[in-house]
Amino acid sequence: QVQLVQSGAEVKKPGASVKVSCKASGYTFTSYDINWVRQATGQGLEWMGWMNPNSGNTGYAQKFQGRVTMTRNTSISTAYMELSSLRSEDTAVYYCARRRSTPSWYFDLWGRGTLVTVSS
Amino acid sequence: DIQMTQSPSSLSASVGDRVTITCRASQSISSYLNWYQQKPGKAPKLLIYAASSLQSGVPSRFSGSGSGTDFTLTISSLQPEDFATYYCQQSYSTPRVTFGPGTKVDIK
Repeated sequence: QVQLVQSGAEVKKPGASVKVSCKASGYTFTSYDINWVRQATGQGLEWMGWMNPNSGNTGYAQKFQGRVTMTRNTSISTAYMELSSLRSEDTAVYYCARRRSTPSWYFDLWGRGTLVTVSS
Repeated sequence: DIQMTQSPSSLSASVGDRVTITCRASQSISSYLNWYQQKPGKAPKLLIYAASSLQSGVPSRFSGSGSGTDFTLTISSLQPEDFATYYCQQSYSTPRVTFGPGTKVDIK
């Protein structure tokens, strides 16, 4: 079954870091970029960045530059998103999504999301 | 950055209604426009890619049109399972994509 399975909910204190995982199955992990998108409660979708699982190349939204790191472990087909210096505004559901590049660019497969709560 | 707007921000409709949602880009994005549906507590689901191509498995009552800066998502006959929030997304500036603010469709 083609799917992305994300790690469970996290509760963190302000200033801490969180690392969310996204395990791919049912397709060749290194063939498609993984993107991360977050959504605060009642808000819209916010793109955070992307990673090429084959090369490890990454690109981040300017808003998150310096605070986010996207990595992968190809041996277990898993992508990771680490966000540091957490603040209350980072409380959100974090999604990973697979990006197709032909015939156009779009996110065709999404994880179920990981709720990250930042609270003292 | 390319900015996306959607209108309306919300609408109320009845089962069987024809529903149209508009998305506008701050600059021309050719046909690099996708539409997603999101239900409460669920991940977004791809409906339409490249402005007018229907994703596999998506009912044919969904259609998309437009190019350049103005795009439309149409639901020809609204079904109970279609009550959700709809987002457009530009992928012209891939990998740096942006989403519209969303349009919530609820029951009249």
